[in-house]
Amino acid sequence: GEDVEQSLFLSVREGDSSVINCTYTDSSSTYLYWYKQEPGAGLQLLTYIFSNMDMKQDQRLTVLLNKKDKHLSLRIADTQTGDSAIYFCAEGWDTGRRALTFGSGTRLQVQP
Amino acid sequence: GAVVSQHPSWVICKSGTSVKIECRSLDFQATTMFWYRQFPKQSLMLMATSNEGSKATYEQGVEKDKFLINHASLTLSTLTVTSAHPEDSSFYICSARDGGPGTGKTNEKLFFGSGTQLSVL
Repeated sequence: GEDVEQSLFLSVREGDSSVINCTYTDSSSTYLYWYKQEPGAGLQLLTYIFSNMDMKQDQRLTVLLNKKDKHLSLRIADTQTGDSAIYFCAEGWDTGRRALTFGSGTRLQVQP
Repeated sequence: GAVVSQHPSWVICKSGTSVKIECRSLDFQATTMFWYRQFPKQSLMLMATSNEGSKATYEQGVEKDKFLINHASLTLSTLTVTSAHPEDSSFYICSARDGGPGTGKTNEKLFFGSGTQLSVL
């Protein structure tokens, strides 16, 4: 079955860059997503990338996709304390009715 | 951006009672909605896929009679936890799909509700 894996925890200093990594197994995925979850809240879609792209940049966020290795990363530039949250990567299809498959989430802690 | 409203945000109930959670897409029509469950410090687990006008599709291990899903309109899906027990205590999140086949939108996205924390005493 499909599997999405992430490291559990990342700690960075305010102002540094954060890189959160994710690997997935389903090569038929056409969309790959990054979500942010703050305590007690729902998921916020941060960004997504089509599987035929290598990189996508959106303000402080940069997504890199290595489709050959099935590796996805999210880079947050100039990390702020407000970025402290759990970040989930997810993979899915653009057609059909299947929901997303989520990783276990990476808790990002930003030290002042 | 599109908004999905989930209500209530939290609920405490006695064991044996039923609890209904609503998920509404506020500015788009969602033919498909998904219900997830999240245990503390774990990832989201898909419970069921809710299709407007038809029966929900449940994931393996999810009891259909316990978690009743109704998707009566294009903007509303409900999850009812029947005869709730303490082990049903969890964080429940819905998501609604904007776009996809038949919608005329080529760019498909999922939007999530803010979640419902259910505590069963």
